[in-house]
Amino acid sequence: DAKTTQPTSMDCAEGRAANLPCNHSTISGNEYVYWYRQIHSQGPQYIIHGLKNNETNEMASLIITEDRKSSTLILPHATLRDTAVYYCIVRVALAGGTSYGKLTFGQGTILTVHP
Amino acid sequence: EAQVTQNPRYLITVTGKKLTVTCSQNMNHEYMSWYRQDPGLGLRQIYYSMNVEVTDKGDVPEGYKVSRKEKRNFPLILESPSPNQTSLYFCASMLTLSHTEAFFGQGTRLTVV
Repeated sequence: DAKTTQPTSMDCAEGRAANLPCNHSTISGNEYVYWYRQIHSQGPQYIIHGLKNNETNEMASLIITEDRKSSTLILPHATLRDTAVYYCIVRVALAGGTSYGKLTFGQGTILTVHP
Repeated sequence: EAQVTQNPRYLITVTGKKLTVTCSQNMNHEYMSWYRQDPGLGLRQIYYSMNVEVTDKGDVPEGYKVSRKEKRNFPLILESPSPNQTSLYFCASMLTLSHTEAFFGQGTRLTVV
């Protein structure tokens, strides 16, 4: 699975958009970009995923660059409850290969939302 | 409610005393796995199971065993725990490997003294 690079920490004011970047310059054509978050030692929670098109759900938006070498997770109106560690992961989502079931978590970005 | 349930949530035990951490999911998921999380090392996969009676090693399997006799349960067994297995453990499940969303349990904080 391709490696990802994220900033160690970011701050955001409550009510503002939080834009979390992720670099995955070695991503392969069949690898998806996933985002998870972990709130204070709870189990990681799935947020969103995408292949090459931008995606939006009730939690967030995912913007993937045209060359797929980087992406940005956007929390449109951050709240205090969004304070968490955010993980960007790339992996193959289709069967085949020994690593396709594993989620490789890096260190993630610690997002702190302040009042 | 769809969920992955781990038990116990907290456990303090002594070196060498066998223990089992249970994991159960109610979503009929085929794929289940165990991770451990340590400061500075992130989450690392211990074992995974692609279906009943099919298990395989992850990145850090030494000192652990698993079994998958039924689809819903995937217990993690420490036959002879050692202090270096003190960690935060998470069980996760996915409908199938080609699906995208993994569901995680609440975690088990294990201390081996």
